[in-house]
Amino acid sequence: NAGVMQNPRHLVRRRGQEARLRCSPMKGHSHVYWYRQLPEEGLKFMVYLQKENIIDESGMPKERFSAEFPKEGPSILRIQQVVRGDSAAYFCASSQLARQGAETQYFGPGTRLLVL
Amino acid sequence: AQSVTQLDSHVSVSEGTPVLLRCNYSSSYSPSLFWYVQHPNKGLQLLLKYTSAATLVKGINGFEAEFKKSETSFHLTKPSAHMSDAAEYFCVVSETGNTGKLIFGQGTTLQVKP
Repeated sequence: NAGVMQNPRHLVRRRGQEARLRCSPMKGHSHVYWYRQLPEEGLKFMVYLQKENIIDESGMPKERFSAEFPKEGPSILRIQQVVRGDSAAYFCASSQLARQGAETQYFGPGTRLLVL
Repeated sequence: AQSVTQLDSHVSVSEGTPVLLRCNYSSSYSPSLFWYVQHPNKGLQLLLKYTSAATLVKGINGFEAEFKKSETSFHLTKPSAHMSDAAEYFCVVSETGNTGKLIFGQGTTLQVKP
């Protein structure tokens, strides 16, 4: 059973470009979470999605960031017009259910975004 | 609102000696608590989790943690450190409700000296 897959593993963008990060959850998992890890910090929640629905986006910056989890295909985290402050590691996690504490979130290897 | 505080940003031990990584939590409800480990440039791996069953939780690689409600603590321990334990460790609490959102501590870097 393959784990959570993320691609690309490393992404370099110049200021003003767009970044697209992909996440394929574990087989059988229908809940996806995105977290961001800034240098020397812990992970911060960004958004929680189920298929075709955004459940909680309270951690998403108000502008330039969007996320989707279509019926078919991976979840996408999209950052438009990137700035240097967007440089970070972005982690995706998936679970079978979202009940508090009932299900473990399994993390992917992350995408490390560098904005030049 | 829930939160976790990891009391040490860096811990250094010698190989073969005990490991103690400290974590205090704040929660209005009976929390679900986790420890995750992150090796350099890798993803996060679950070490163990507490979900209101036994207060002493055993995890992988010889790690265990004890939930102490009176002290609001969930410290991670291992009797004997191995070189491969050198990594970043995160104490995590799951937010109440149905979001499943995880709230991370700042992390503790464990250094293991030969």
